[in-house]
Amino acid sequence: DQQVKQNSPSLSVQEGRISILNCDYTNSMFDYFLWYKKYPAEGPTFLISISSIKDKNEDGRFTVFLNKSAKHLSLHIVPSQPGDSAVYFCAASGVGNEKLTFGTGTRLTIIP
Amino acid sequence: ETGVTQTPRHLVMGMTNKKSLKCEQHLGHNAMYWYKQSAKKPLELMFVYSLEERVENNSVPSRFSPECPNSSHLFLHLHTLQPEDSALYLCASSPEVTETQYFGPGTRLLVL
Repeated sequence: DQQVKQNSPSLSVQEGRISILNCDYTNSMFDYFLWYKKYPAEGPTFLISISSIKDKNEDGRFTVFLNKSAKHLSLHIVPSQPGDSAVYFCAASGVGNEKLTFGTGTRLTIIP
Repeated sequence: ETGVTQTPRHLVMGMTNKKSLKCEQHLGHNAMYWYKQSAKKPLELMFVYSLEERVENNSVPSRFSPECPNSSHLFLHLHTLQPEDSALYLCASSPEVTETQYFGPGTRLLVL
């Protein structure tokens, strides 16, 4: 049973436009969420996180939104740049739990 | 060298071979992790170490044997693997368990 789901395996966005990556989770005990970015032949790189006490966290061009009632989070990238082309993983963990549960990833392609 | 490093980056082995994967972190972190990433599957947590003590073994077959001699080094000893064990093996570290994890580049393993 997959507790963290990224239903879109791929997404293409024009350079300069907004990229929106979505993630759904089923475990109501999750209270901390992260987004990782992965380039080919590299390990995932931490991008941004949000705890369940917030509904929004912003860092430069990246904003993560959390909707706890819908068990949904999203990552907004604006404006999108060619260097943003990568696979994005959503991950979640519960209170005091070192285990991160990952989604399957969404491949984002930014079209120049 | 900084961050999390992994060697070798690529490994091909037969089912009767014994090999080891090495991970080293230069971040002063106390927790280290092994993950497996198979094609089109979420990242799967295998083992968690905190201050050289194993705190989680995620139902991993005994043909995978981790070793953490100190907080900077983590090994994954492999023996009598199966072709379905072919995957990308990622190491990560974090300041303490439950904190943000930082990943190495991974070892691409092919079992013939």
